[in-house]
Amino acid sequence: EDKVVQSPLSLVVHEGDTVTLNCSYEVTNFRSLLWYKQEKKAPTFLFMLTSSGIEKKSGRLSSILDKKELFSILNITATQTGDSAVYLCAALSTGYALNFGKGTSLLVTP
Amino acid sequence: NAGVTQTPKFQVLKTGQSMTLQCAQDMNHNSMYWYRQDPGMGLRLIYYSASEGTTDKGEVPNGYNVSRLNKREFSLRLESAAPSQTSVYFCASSDSGGYYEQYFGPGTRLTVT
Repeated sequence: EDKVVQSPLSLVVHEGDTVTLNCSYEVTNFRSLLWYKQEKKAPTFLFMLTSSGIEKKSGRLSSILDKKELFSILNITATQTGDSAVYLCAALSTGYALNFGKGTSLLVTP
Repeated sequence: NAGVTQTPKFQVLKTGQSMTLQCAQDMNHNSMYWYRQDPGMGLRLIYYSASEGTTDKGEVPNGYNVSRLNKREFSLRLESAAPSQTSVYFCASSDSGGYYEQYFGPGTRLTVT
């Protein structure tokens, strides 16, 4: 059975801290790993990772995929209160299905 | 571009009633999807349409039907609503081929009493 597991489930940090969110996956016919940010509305796309070891970066956010160990991490440096959200990891397999993890709820306090 | 739009935004149904959730996208995407999101369960795929004229079941299809009306529109129908179908429903679309991100609509919050 395909599964995607995120850890931790929730996290509280102070503004300025660096956080690392984890995502492990076991998916048949894996194609790519996606990260989304959800702030009480629709998930918004952050990154898609298809190759191992190649870091994707956007501002203070970065992500990397390890296809041998079947995991990905999402790093956020110098966190801001606007980073507070649920971060969703999803593995894309053949048949177009996105298998989502349950998400990591991040709260950044001032 | 409006992206992915959904109607209605909120709906309350009584058990046994039927309704159709509408979704449209203006990004010329081939593939469209319906998900439900429940607390502690993450997003789960109900049905998807890889291209116009095709539909396939996802992880949780029971109690739902879909129609891919044309390339732009993909509707989700609840024939006889049950309290277990209380959820937030998201429609999404993507280019086809399995290597493209999915773009989500704003969601429909459905309550079945």
